[in-house]
Amino acid sequence: NAGVTQTPKFQVLKTGQSMTLQCAQDMNHEYMSWYRQDPGMGLRLIHYSVGAGITDQGEVPNGYNVSRSTTEDFPLRLLSAAPSQTSVYFCASSLGVGTGDNQPQHFGDGTRLSIL
Amino acid sequence: GQQVMQIPQYQHVQEGEDFTTYCNSSTTLSNIQWYKQRPGGHPVFLIQLVKSGEVKKQKRLTFQFGEAKKNSSLHITATQTTDVGTYFCAKSYSGTYKYIFGTGTRLKVLA
Repeated sequence: NAGVTQTPKFQVLKTGQSMTLQCAQDMNHEYMSWYRQDPGMGLRLIHYSVGAGITDQGEVPNGYNVSRSTTEDFPLRLLSAAPSQTSVYFCASSLGVGTGDNQPQHFGDGTRLSIL
Repeated sequence: GQQVMQIPQYQHVQEGEDFTTYCNSSTTLSNIQWYKQRPGGHPVFLIQLVKSGEVKKQKRLTFQFGEAKKNSSLHITATQTTDVGTYFCAKSYSGTYKYIFGTGTRLKVLA
């Protein structure tokens, strides 16, 4: 059971380039989310999805797009990379939507992204 | 906004000493989750608290939810070097499945 898989693990981009961070889960979880983690800032929610075809913004959505065409995949797109987007990005998934009791989130190993 | 304050930011303890981190919210929480992140790793779920005044234990870890459901604590008894990492609390926005994480407490255990 792979859990939550993120690719790539590391990436260096130049300012203005675009790229997609991949996230896939094989647990049939409805809820998926993207966080960024900066030193001393904890984890900040970028976008999340409560099911295929449904996405919504988190705390820091600007500069990022998401889509959820399948239950398994939740890619994060950087449209025009900026140095301020240098961070570690984590994807997470959880079982619970509509269960009446929020479920624990399972995190991927992260993508370490540097924007030059 | 719906902020989650977590204190202290850092804590260094001698191995065998106890450790406590606190999570405070200005609004009433429907539930709170705790995570541990080892250096270079990803957050790993520890526990979820739902009921007012709830206390849960996992070996040397004790989690508590305040009576007013506005604060929570994680206490580790007799720390070990394996406890090193950053401990985060996370709360959900009321009525949604969006989770807001605290800034975390980084624990260092000196052998």
